[in-house]
Amino acid sequence: DAGVTQSPTHLIKTRGQHVTLRCSPISGHKSVSWYQQVLGQGPQFIFQYYEKEERGRGNFPDRFSARQFPNYSSELNVNALLLGDSALYLCASSSLGTGDQPQHFGDGTRLSIL
Amino acid sequence: QKEVEQNSGPLSVPEGAIASLNCTYSDRGSQSFFWYRQYSGKSPELIMSIYSNGDKEDGRFTAQLNKASQYVSLLIRDSQPSDSATYLCAVRDSNYQLIWGAGTKLIIKP
Repeated sequence: DAGVTQSPTHLIKTRGQHVTLRCSPISGHKSVSWYQQVLGQGPQFIFQYYEKEERGRGNFPDRFSARQFPNYSSELNVNALLLGDSALYLCASSSLGTGDQPQHFGDGTRLSIL
Repeated sequence: QKEVEQNSGPLSVPEGAIASLNCTYSDRGSQSFFWYRQYSGKSPELIMSIYSNGDKEDGRFTAQLNKASQYVSLLIRDSQPSDSATYLCAVRDSNYQLIWGAGTKLIIKP
C-alpha cells in the first residue's frame, strides 16, 4: 500500500508569493495533520482535519489555511510568504482524529523563501 | 502552555551499548505517547507507541511510561551505528492534539 504522499518535494518562492502544498493520506486514513519543522526543532502543529472538518489549529497566522477533500486528500495554503516560512512542511495521516492512533508522515515539502 | 521536554543532546553511546532517551511532559491529562526517529533531511518515522504505565518491548526497543511522574523513556539495546538519528517524543494532550518535543540527537560510535 502506498504511504502518505506529498507534493511537491521542493519549492522555491519569493517573499509575498502564495504557495499550495498537497497531501494524499494512506488509504483508509481519514485524518490529516500538517506540521512545520524548522531545523533543530520538533514539528510544530499547524492544522488537523478529520472527515473534511477542521479538528484543530496551531498557533499560526491567518496566512495559513488548509482544507480536506472528499477523498481525504488535503491542501495547505500559505499567503504573503515571509522569509520565516522557510521550513520542511510535513503531512501526517492517521485512521482517526483523536490523536491516539500513530501518525504516519509523508516525505515532506521543503519550502525555501528567497 | 503544554510542553514536552527532551534533552537536545547529542547523546553519544558506544556501539553495542544501551541508549537511554528521556522525555517529560506537562499535561497530566495526556493519554497516548509516541517515539519517532528522524534521520537528517528525512521525515519522522514511528518507532513505538505506549498507552499504559510500565514497559513495552519491540525488538531492540523498549518504551517505558510513568504517568505519575509524567515521564516516558525509550531504551535501545545493542545500539548500532544505523540508530544514529534524532529521536522525537510526541504526547497526545487532553485536547486530543499531539505535542512534540524538540528531539534528542543520538550518536552511536563504532
